[in-house]
Amino acid sequence: ETGVTQTPRHLVMGMTNKKSLKCEQHLGHNAMYWYKQSAKKPLELMFVYNFKEQTENNSVPSRFSPECPNSSHLFLHLHTLQPEDSALYLCASSQATGGQETQYFGPGTRLLVL
Amino acid sequence: GQNIDQPTEMTATEGAIVQINCTYQTSGFNGLFWYQQHAGEAPTFLSYNVLDGLEEKGRFSSFLSRSKGYSYLLLKELQMKDSASYLCAVRDGDYKLSFGAGTTVTVRA
Repeated sequence: ETGVTQTPRHLVMGMTNKKSLKCEQHLGHNAMYWYKQSAKKPLELMFVYNFKEQTENNSVPSRFSPECPNSSHLFLHLHTLQPEDSALYLCASSQATGGQETQYFGPGTRLLVL
Repeated sequence: GQNIDQPTEMTATEGAIVQINCTYQTSGFNGLFWYQQHAGEAPTFLSYNVLDGLEEKGRFSSFLSRSKGYSYLLLKELQMKDSASYLCAVRDGDYKLSFGAGTTVTVRA
């Protein structure tokens, strides 16, 4: 149990669907992240939120829309995705300390776009 | 851009030692992390190095040489449960992590 939960764990959607991924952290952290993990590729950072403010958008297509209503919750809204968007989407959180600042990951949502 | 290289796969026998190397070329350096990821699970934190040298934590040790852009993760007394993917990640700024593609370690009886 890492203190970061994600729902759903698995999601199958068509290219015209709209769905949302949810992440919740129970660690009292002030930063949250979305990553994409494709097979045999490095984790790709998508978005970063510090104190609910988006501080990083790593050239992510607009069909991915993040939302951070508070420091414990993070959403990723999905709209008109493409088959190449099929991947594992990981959420992480950390506490900004200026030091080690380890990121703790959730179990991920396995997304399949048909 | 950031470039982090690690071997794709390694195989070792139960009870043996395996060393996973990671080389990096990044625009900045503010620490190096190793994570373990079992199939279908979250990456979990293993170790952190920001100064040169060896950090030991039980059966796992991690080494860093900043001048060489090099780190390794040493797994001793391998157990079957150590079969997993091991991710090397470099923090090049305040919080941003750049990851390698991961090394899949298979432990055989």
